[in-house]
Amino acid sequence: AQSVTQLGSHVSVSEGALVLLRCNYSSSVPPYLFWYVQYPNQGLQLLLKYTSAATLVKGINGFEAEFKKSETSFHLTKPSAHMSDAAEYFCAVIPSGAGSYQLTFGKGTKLSVIP
Amino acid sequence: DADVTQTPRNRITKTGKRIMLECSQTKGHDRMYWYRQDPGLGLRLIYYSFDVKDINKGEISDGYSVSRQAQAKFSLSLESAIPNQTALYFCATSDSGDSSSTDTQYFGPGTRLTVL
Repeated sequence: AQSVTQLGSHVSVSEGALVLLRCNYSSSVPPYLFWYVQYPNQGLQLLLKYTSAATLVKGINGFEAEFKKSETSFHLTKPSAHMSDAAEYFCAVIPSGAGSYQLTFGKGTKLSVIP
Repeated sequence: DADVTQTPRNRITKTGKRIMLECSQTKGHDRMYWYRQDPGLGLRLIYYSFDVKDINKGEISDGYSVSRQAQAKFSLSLESAIPNQTALYFCATSDSGDSSSTDTQYFGPGTRLTVL
């Protein structure tokens, strides 16, 4: 079964600092990987996804993530945090292959941005 | 207009009441899902439907039922609500014909349900 681990339920960064949110998956076969963002009182919005093409994936709002098979990781980064990045971030996986649908979520990481 | 809508957005009810949460989508997707979100637990799948005649249980279906009234509508019912069903509920949709073959899911804004 797929599982996702997000290290750190809360992360605080200063405005302008690097954002690094960690995600590791457990799977014998590299899955498809997603990062979603949830702003306060809103639904989940897709930030980016990895689908076995390029290992460095660029998403919206300046975020990117790198798939590292050797580390079973898909960490999310942004070079310079903005106040509007304060939100909860979820990593999720789907088994690779045709017909895959079972999206498994991590427990989320809440990002705070300090002025 | 939002592609995936949920009604109501907020609901407070009492133990033992029957509650229905509704989801509609204009994305033309064939697959629809219901999740619940609890603090510190992420999202967990309750039910999913691949088309009008195909309904499947997810990870935590006990105490819930669903109805797929049309391709665009998928409702979630709590037959007899209990306090530990207090949570944020999300509907999602995906397209089995997704050209990237990843079946990306798109979420509604959520329904906050409180059971007293």
